[in-house]
Amino acid sequence: AQTVTQSQPEMSVQEAETVTLSCTYDTSESDYYLFWYKQPPSRQMILVIRQEAYKQQNATENRFSVNFQKAAKSFSLKISDSQLGDAAMYFCAYRILFSGGGADGLTFGKGTHLIIQP
Amino acid sequence: KAGVTQTPRYLIKTRGQQVTLSCSPISGHRSVSWYQQTPGQGLQFLFEYFSETQRNKGNFPGRFSGRQFSNSRSEMNVSTLELGDSALYLCASTGEAATDTQYFGPGTRLTVL
Repeated sequence: AQTVTQSQPEMSVQEAETVTLSCTYDTSESDYYLFWYKQPPSRQMILVIRQEAYKQQNATENRFSVNFQKAAKSFSLKISDSQLGDAAMYFCAYRILFSGGGADGLTFGKGTHLIIQP
Repeated sequence: KAGVTQTPRYLIKTRGQQVTLSCSPISGHRSVSWYQQTPGQGLQFLFEYFSETQRNKGNFPGRFSGRQFSNSRSEMNVSTLELGDSALYLCASTGEAATDTQYFGPGTRLTVL
């Protein structure tokens, strides 16, 4: 079975500090994309960052960056200068691309609840 | 550009009833995917529609069905509701390319009594 594992159910960090959320995944497919989504208490799922599996360079989006280790099937998210607005559930996910076109649905991990301490 | 909209936002039904949820994608997006979110199972993919055709589906019973209209709006139907169908149902829209990112709506919270 294809899975995503987020080993940290909950993380806490001081405001302005840096935190890293871990994610490992297991797929036998070679063509896929990886994502981090955040879901604040309002429940709206928001894209944080995405990474194409064929790219070696790690994606960055302002204070958010990833450490993508394809051989290890690891995809961690680093949040620098944490802000109160970063408090949310963070979900790691991947989407397999089909060789004939199209893609599978997103496969999600169980999530990490991030708490920001003021 | 308006985001993904879902109606209704909250719904209460009783066991055995059926329910229909609606999703309007971002303007210009032709693909709509549906996900179920529960505390126990997490987020699970239901199905995806593209140009009025189901393109992909997850591992859910036939009680869960959907359709897409020519304006790309999508509906999801659950028949013979069970207590375990209580969940947040999320809709996501995507552009034409499979590599495009999925953008989510606010969800419909379904409670089955």
